[in-house]
Amino acid sequence: EPEVTQTPSHQVTQMGQEVILRCVPISNHLYFYWYRQILGQKVEFLVSFYNNEISEKSEIFDDQFSVERPDGSNFTLKIRSTKLEDSAMYFCASNLAGGPGDTQYFGPGTRLTVL
Amino acid sequence: EDQVTQSPEALRLQEGESSSLNCSYTVSGLRGLFWYRQDPGKGPEFLFTLYSAGEEKEKERLKATLTKKESFLHITAPKPEDSATYLCAVQTSGTYKYIFGTGTRLKVLA
Repeated sequence: EPEVTQTPSHQVTQMGQEVILRCVPISNHLYFYWYRQILGQKVEFLVSFYNNEISEKSEIFDDQFSVERPDGSNFTLKIRSTKLEDSAMYFCASNLAGGPGDTQYFGPGTRLTVL
Repeated sequence: EDQVTQSPEALRLQEGESSSLNCSYTVSGLRGLFWYRQDPGKGPEFLFTLYSAGEEKEKERLKATLTKKESFLHITAPKPEDSATYLCAVQTSGTYKYIFGTGTRLKVLA
């Protein structure tokens, strides 16, 4: 069964460093998403991406964040200058059509720890 | 403001003891309501999508129902392997994003 994959599973970085989180969405999916979950809190939407551009972003997704589809399979989230409060699980998701009620499928997550 | 509230926060059941989890929502136009299961340190695993009031979906010991204000996830004769956090999410009109509730942590004791 096709699934979303993410690497690395755990990333430790120093405050102020740049990190890139990688995702391989399900192969025929067209819409891609990043969410994050701070320990013990809700899963929160960060950004959605379609046709090589951002289609929607939340207030959390400020100028330190960027997303890219560098090739036909990968989808990345870059955090330019990490802060302590960026420590969280980051989930990538994808869906086929992005239309009303289309189900998003989530990856296993990357745990980001900022020291 | 669109909101999703799940209750209870935590639930302990004996194996075989059926119960229901609640997800109430206040949104401006529902496109879909989604139930996921999340194990510790893992990503949300899709269970059900519901689109309109009156709709029901079933899978093994789980049954999801939807009204205009809330959804229930009914668990019949649960087993220890059903222990997980169950997340509810909604998608509203004009947006791609999901809005998640805080989840219900279910523990089923053998």
